[in-house]
Formats: sequence, structure tokens, C-alpha cells
Amino acid sequence: AQKVTQAQTEISVVEKEDVTLDCVYETRDTTYYLFWYKQPPSGELVFLIRRNSFDEQNEISGRYSWNFQKSTSSFNFTITASQVVDSAVYFCALSVVSTSGTYKYIFGTGTRLKVLA
Amino acid sequence: EPEVTQTPSHQVTQMGQEVILRCVPISNHLYFYWYRQILGQKVEFLVSFYNNEISEKSEIFDDQFSVERPDGSNFTLKIRSTKLEDSAMYFCASAGTSGEFVETQYFGPGTRLLVL
Repeated sequence: AQKVTQAQTEISVVEKEDVTLDCVYETRDTTYYLFWYKQPPSGELVFLIRRNSFDEQNEISGRYSWNFQKSTSSFNFTITASQVVDSAVYFCALSVVSTSGTYKYIFGTGTRLKVLA
Repeated sequence: EPEVTQTPSHQVTQMGQEVILRCVPISNHLYFYWYRQILGQKVEFLVSFYNNEISEKSEIFDDQFSVERPDGSNFTLKIRSTKLEDSAMYFCASAGTSGEFVETQYFGPGTRLLVL
């Protein structure tokens, strides 16, 4: 079964704190892709990062960093020195090849992050 | 930078009415998708479309739903007889040609549908 679990429903932090959003996935595929999206109150899905299953290097982009560990099937997202503008719902997604040969995304339930001033 | 566009941004309709949600995917993309997000819930796959036919559909995508690519640029989702539970944000997405990250989908801004 293909599944993405984001166990943290909602997290509140005070501005400048670091925060980690957890993502655990399940798939039998050896080739797959993982994504993080940000959904602000306006509703659109903002792409943050793409990672393939063969690349376990961690990545840093400004205040954002991602920790991919195949051994634990996790792809966690850390925001350093959080800001109020980081307040949003964050979705982790798994992209796998379906039986038709096309890809589809399987999203987690999302984590609502509230950063308080 | 090319982007996926969707119209309308918001639509209010009466239960039982037909609605058509429109999407213009990124030019030259070959794979097209619709997803649905009920308020406060996760984004769910509805249907994928490739080579002018449905590749895969979820259990949500019943006979009330249909998709079409009528003119080579637009990609539409039709709901024949809307129900209250169809109220949701609908996202269109497209993905590139072979060898160009076909596993990465580009999402439109969504159409918020409210069925009264």
C-alpha cells in the first residue's frame, strides 16, 4: 500500500524557534519521489522540494532543510528561525508510478504550522 | 515561467446543477491530472489523463465526473449533477514530456467550488 503519514496535525511555535515537520511514507516501489508543498491561507499549493529515492543527501535552502532517511522511510522538513510568514499548512507527498504507467501523488493529511509573533 | 492556470477561481452553484472547471496546462505537457481537497482535509487524486484518455481514476471519480481535452490546450472537469459533498477546492496539474521529470506535477491555483 502507498501511504503518507503526517502525524502532527498542528504545531504552534514562537517566532525564531526552529520547527521540524515529520513525514513518514510507505511504498513497495524502489523508485519514487517525495515532495513538500506549502499551502498558505489563499489555498494554492506552493512547491518547496522534490527528492528522488536514490538521493539521500540532505538539502538546505535558506532557512529550510530536509532530512531524507530511507531506513526509516522518513522525509522530515525543518524550518530554522521560523517567521510569521511561515504560517501555513504543509503537505508531504509521495509520487509513484501507477498501473497505467502515469504518476500520481499521494498526499499526507498535512501539518498546520502557526508561528506566533 | 510557464504555469498552470484555472478558471474560475471561485464558483457557487446549486445542488443538481452541472459545473465545468477549466484548466490550461503548461504548453507541451502530456500528462494531466485533477485533484480535490475538501476544506480542512488532504489533497486527493481524482483522475489522470494521457494520450486523450483516462489513465487512472480514483473511487471518488464516479459517473458524475468526466474529463475532456477539447481543443489541445484546455483540460476540463465536468460534474454533471453537483451534490453538497462536491464542495471543495479542485486542483489541476500537468507534467512534462518523457525524460523531463514526468513525476513532477505542476499545480494550478485551484478552483473553489461551493454547492448550495
